[in-house]
Amino acid sequence: DVKVTQSSRYLVKRTGEKVFLECVQDMDHENMFWYRQDPGLGLRLIYFSYDVKMKEKGDIPEGYSVSREKKERFSLILESASTNQTSMYLCASSYWLGGNEQFFGPGTRLTVL
Amino acid sequence: AQKITQTQPGMFVQEKEAVTLDCTYDTSDQSYGLFWYKQPSSGEMIFLIYQGSYDEQNATEGRYSLNFQKARKSANLVISASQLGDSAMYFCAMREGLAGNQFYFGTGTSLTVIP
Repeated sequence: DVKVTQSSRYLVKRTGEKVFLECVQDMDHENMFWYRQDPGLGLRLIYFSYDVKMKEKGDIPEGYSVSREKKERFSLILESASTNQTSMYLCASSYWLGGNEQFFGPGTRLTVL
Repeated sequence: AQKITQTQPGMFVQEKEAVTLDCTYDTSDQSYGLFWYKQPSSGEMIFLIYQGSYDEQNATEGRYSLNFQKARKSANLVISASQLGDSAMYFCAMREGLAGNQFYFGTGTSLTVIP
């Protein structure tokens, strides 16, 4: 079974703090993704990575950065957290070839006070 | 323009009845894939069903089927014999190209199954 794990299920941070969200997958997937999910807006792509050290901006990259030093691990970084980054963050991974679905982690609900 | 459109924010269905969740998509690619995911209140996204653009038959997985109408660019999810456990958010998604890296998601439909 594919497993995607995220470092925290719930996280509370203060405005201005640097926040790290970690994601690990165990199926040797090439692609990894970070989304944020807000009510009524669905899932919006923040960043994705198709290989180690490679990254591409998604639809809403502002205020975020990412790191992929190893194939199985993809980190999302909020350099200076703001209240408008309070959201559910979902990590996903997939094989590079089309026709393969994304596998999702359980999500991290981040609250920035 | 939105790549994936789900026009039903909320739906209700009686237990044991069938329900159709609508999804339309927008792409100029000939090769693409369409996906449906279920998100229960626990938050985890669960893959349900996949349809490739070249697949001639509609995809089916147990009680789930995908009504694929290529000319209309629609990929509706049909759930037969609804169960209380089907109450959840449902998301339609598309992946463009044979090896497209980006998935596009709709805004979701909240389904409530009434006993």
